[in-house]
Amino acid sequence: SQQGEEDPQALSIQEGENATMNCSYKTSINNLQWYRQNSGRGLVHLILIRSNEREKHSGRLRVTLDTSKKSSSLLITASRAADTASYFCATDSLGETSGSRLTFGEGTQLTVNP
Amino acid sequence: GAVVSQHPSWVICKSGTSVKIECRSLDFQATTMFWYRQFPKQSLMLMATSNEGSKATYEQGVEKDKFLINHASLTLSTLTVTSAHPEDSSFYICSARDRHRGWGEKLFFGSGTQLSVL
Repeated sequence: SQQGEEDPQALSIQEGENATMNCSYKTSINNLQWYRQNSGRGLVHLILIRSNEREKHSGRLRVTLDTSKKSSSLLITASRAADTASYFCATDSLGETSGSRLTFGEGTQLTVNP
Repeated sequence: GAVVSQHPSWVICKSGTSVKIECRSLDFQATTMFWYRQFPKQSLMLMATSNEGSKATYEQGVEKDKFLINHASLTLSTLTVTSAHPEDSSFYICSARDRHRGWGEKLFFGSGTQLSVL
C-alpha cells in the first residue's frame, strides 16, 4: 500500500510567505524524512525526524511529527523563489526482506512567486 | 557531503536495445543502493534494493530479467534495462546509504537518468 500521502498536491505562494505541507502515512515508522526535488533532478535530503521526536528545526524548516495521527508537516518560513520545487516525505520502516527502506509520498509541488 | 554520481543524465535509444545506467558513490562506501523509477509529476517507485556482493532484491511487479542490477563494489551499482521498449521510458534515480551510518538514516541521491525509448 502507498505510504506517505501528501497534501496539498500543489501550493502556490508569494515570496516571504510561509508554506506548509502535510504528510500522512499508514504503518509504524522508525523515522520520517523530507526531501526536495528540483525538476528533472535527483532528491536532496532536507531533514529527518525520528519516531520519538515531535518537532525539529533546521534553518527555515520546521518539521512536526504526530505518531498517534500518523502525520507530519513541513513548514518553510519566509519562502524564496529558489524554494520552488517538489517536496516529498518518506517513511523509513522495517521491511521483511531488505531491511529498512524509504517509501515516498506523492509529493507537493511548491511554487514561490517573486 | 556525500556525493552520488549517476550517468548518463539522459539517453535516447531504439526499441530493443539495452541501456546501462551507472550509480557511483564518490566519497563514501555504500553497502546498499536503491533504484527508483519516476513518471512525470509522480512519486518515486522503488524498483529494487542492491546490496554489494549479493543479488538484488526486487519489488513486486518489477521484472528482474528486464532490469538487471549489479552491485560489484562498495561504490558502484549498475542498472541495465534490457530490450528496452517505449513503455520503459521514464526517469530513473539511484540512491545510496552510507555504510557507516547504518539503517534508518538519510539517503544520498544521484541526479537521475531520463530514458527515452523510440
